[in-house]
Amino acid sequence: KNEVEQSPQNLTAQEGEFITINCSYSVGISALHWLQQHPGGGIVSLFMLSSGKKKHGRLIATINIQEKHSSLHITASHPRDSAVYICAVSSGGGADGLTFGKGTHLIIQP
Amino acid sequence: DTEVTQTPKHLVMGMTNKKSLKCEQHMGHRAMYWYKQKAKKPPELMFVYSYEKLSINESVPSRFSPECPNSSLLNLHLHALQPEDSALYLCASSQSTRGLYGYTFGSGTRLTVV
Repeated sequence: KNEVEQSPQNLTAQEGEFITINCSYSVGISALHWLQQHPGGGIVSLFMLSSGKKKHGRLIATINIQEKHSSLHITASHPRDSAVYICAVSSGGGADGLTFGKGTHLIIQP
Repeated sequence: DTEVTQTPKHLVMGMTNKKSLKCEQHMGHRAMYWYKQKAKKPPELMFVYSYEKLSINESVPSRFSPECPNSSLLNLHLHALQPEDSALYLCASSQSTRGLYGYTFGSGTRLTVV
């Protein structure tokens, strides 16, 4: 079974700072997902990656398949970015759903 | 329609009650999932349906009973729950269980068992 590790577990930053959240996994995957969850809320899918880099607004996600590592970057962070960011992977078959990391609790202070 | 809709949003039930959670999607997705999430923990997979057939049951107690009446609808029937079953129950869908598709999550049902 895949092991998914995220760092840091908690991150507090000032508005405008550049944020990086890291994710590593132990065995090969078919895709890696970055998810966002606000307190008490449902989960929003931000990115699905199988290679390279994707950008959406101020969010950038990268993956290095050889190193089994992905990063999520937030540029010009804003208090509304405060949330839990979760890295999750789907294996080759995919039939067992997603394997989740423990999440990174991000707080952006004004 | 690009959403997964879960109802109810909140549910309080006694240990002897029977209730059901509902999940609906109209995106044509053929894989649907139930996850359980305790506070400050990642979601845990409970059930996977692929083309309306149960393909994964992650050793979930029988007091949780899933049902997939058609390709758009997924239910979770609850009976004789315990207080430790209180959690956020999330439904998700994907085009198929093959791992190359994105997931769409519902906003969850916050369940409290008293």
